[in-house]
Amino acid sequence: NAGVTQTPKFRVLKTGQSMTLLCAQDMNHEYMYWYRQDPGMGLRLIHYSVGEGTTAKGEVPDGYNVSRLKKQNFLLGLESAAPSQTSVYFCASSYDATGGQPQHFGDGTRLSIL
Amino acid sequence: DQQVKQNSPSLSVQEGRISILNCDYTNSMFDYFLWYKKYPAEGPTFLISISSIKDKNEDGRFTVFLNKSAKHLSLHIVPSQPGDSAVYFCAASAMVQGGSEKLVFGKGTKLTVNP
Repeated sequence: NAGVTQTPKFRVLKTGQSMTLLCAQDMNHEYMYWYRQDPGMGLRLIHYSVGEGTTAKGEVPDGYNVSRLKKQNFLLGLESAAPSQTSVYFCASSYDATGGQPQHFGDGTRLSIL
Repeated sequence: DQQVKQNSPSLSVQEGRISILNCDYTNSMFDYFLWYKKYPAEGPTFLISISSIKDKNEDGRFTVFLNKSAKHLSLHIVPSQPGDSAVYFCAASAMVQGGSEKLVFGKGTKLTVNP
């Protein structure tokens, strides 16, 4: 049982390049989330999805786009990478988003923008 | 503004003793509070949660206490073990549009349990 899998684990980009981070979950969860974690900071919500075909903005959405074409996948895109987007990105999923349901996290993607 | 605050960046305790990690919040509308543990190079893993209508929840060596009047919660680990060494995140659950919830995280406290 893989849970939440993030691809790739590491990536180095040049400023202005684009890339897509992939998150896949095998728990049939409806809700999926993308967070970023910066040094000395907690996790901050970028975008989230409450079901296949839906997405919504979180706390820090600027510079990112997302898509949820399939229930099990949630993609995070950077159209034109900037050094300020250097961070560790975590994907999470949950069965529900009420009643304090815990979110299940992947192991992260460490992204460096030069 | 930071709605969930973990004011101690680090904590060091001896094996077998109690570890107490603290968390303060500002938004009285938070309805659930969760603690996550994170090892290096891994994602956070859920540890324990508490509803805002309760003041205590216990799961084995882990107990979370909630003081709503003080907007304060704490995680107690007894007895502490070296394997508990990790970063602990406090998170609060808030309703968003559409009736779902989102988590607001504190900055984390790095716990070191010394053998």
